[in-house]
Amino acid sequence: GAVVSQHPSWVICKSGTSVKIECRSLDFQATTMFWYRQFPKQSLMLMATSNEGSKATYEQGVEKDKFLINHASLTLSTLTVTSAHPEDSSFYICSARVRGRGGNQPQHFGDGTRLSIL
Amino acid sequence: AQTVTQSQPEMSVQEAETVTLSCTYDTSESDYYLFWYKQPPSRQMILVIRQEAYKQQNATENRFSVNFQKAAKSFSLKISDSQLGDAAMYFCALTGTASKLTFGTGTRLQVTL
Repeated sequence: GAVVSQHPSWVICKSGTSVKIECRSLDFQATTMFWYRQFPKQSLMLMATSNEGSKATYEQGVEKDKFLINHASLTLSTLTVTSAHPEDSSFYICSARVRGRGGNQPQHFGDGTRLSIL
Repeated sequence: AQTVTQSQPEMSVQEAETVTLSCTYDTSESDYYLFWYKQPPSRQMILVIRQEAYKQQNATENRFSVNFQKAAKSFSLKISDSQLGDAAMYFCALTGTASKLTFGTGTRLQVTL
């Protein structure tokens, strides 16, 4: 149980393109999903917390207009990298927590998306 | 603010031996939870073990166990009978009431024959 699906797993696109990444909880409902960015050989950095039915909460230094987050349902959150540039190339990972549970419930992670901007 | 520190960038262990990965943390919250995640080359994040701060008993999951020292704010991971499949990056993580995970910088574990 607690499977999180992330799509696509790898995307290569031209500079200036917008890219959408989907994060789905397949067998549970998630009122809260999280988006992380991971540079090579580094740790995960939280970008934003996605709340179902409300605006996302962004971490300091993360551009809201660059990284658009939508959490339209209890099983789906999307991250759109708008007008992507080479510096946006990175590994993006989402996670979800089971609805209604406290902080002791672990976050379940998707398999990540490798984004390469040419 | 929460911080998690992993002071060992790389560790190596022989197959079937035991290895301990270190983690220290800091938080102002009294109610928090600690986790160890494993990230193999596939880059999937896999939960290894978790510990509730209010529990004194150290968590164990098969070959994995923790040494939770609350006063020292230390949360080390012990892997017994190491296997080749244990080779990965290991991240220590902390979450409080805000449910946001704060990760350490990771420890790369190599398992040798």
